[in-house]
Amino acid sequence: DTEVTQTPKHLVMGMTNKKSLKCEQHMGHRAMYWYKQKAKKPPELMFVYSYEKLSINESVPSRFSPECPNSSLLNLHLHALQPEDSALYLCASSQEQDTQYFGPGTRLTVL
Amino acid sequence: GIQVEQSPPDLILQEGANSTLRCNFSDSVNNLQWFHQNPWGQLINLFYIPSGTKQNGRLSATTVATERYSLLYISSSQTTDSGVYFCAVENWGSGNTGKLIFGQGTTLQVKP
Repeated sequence: DTEVTQTPKHLVMGMTNKKSLKCEQHMGHRAMYWYKQKAKKPPELMFVYSYEKLSINESVPSRFSPECPNSSLLNLHLHALQPEDSALYLCASSQEQDTQYFGPGTRLTVL
Repeated sequence: GIQVEQSPPDLILQEGANSTLRCNFSDSVNNLQWFHQNPWGQLINLFYIPSGTKQNGRLSATTVATERYSLLYISSSQTTDSGVYFCAVENWGSGNTGKLIFGQGTTLQVKP
């Protein structure tokens, strides 16, 4: 099973809202990732967690707050977002230094 | 950082035709993956191929690491092959493990 699940599929939020994106994998992978993808652009890495510890933060604004409660779960907490944060948010997981498997994404719209 | 260039940017094919997509990268890599992104946004793994040749049905890929390029071959294309094809690379040096760098993609349209 090479499945990464993400919820919700779609999310519309106002600039004052707080919401969370959730990602789950049951492949025993020890690395998990958040990417952001704007329309007609490639995915861009935001965060990497390795063994439940944040190992890479690509200078992401603090209105995005990642959390890794356990080795199977990855959350992205959103607060005070801007309209330009509207994008497809993709989660991925892998064994270290191995193939990354992506979830279906959450399409976020910030009004 | 590593630069990844894909060509062509856009490709239109008639169903049944063959095609070759290219990915050039500017530095040595430890990981190279090819993905297909479908119209719903799902990124589907095609190949994990830092070097050598692999085949999976109508698709095959070759990476020549010493010359810093990879090729994705699609034979007997079908309309379901339409979408964006991404090449992504990773260099494990300098604490960059997990940092996939994506090319700009090749948008493929297969017409019936």
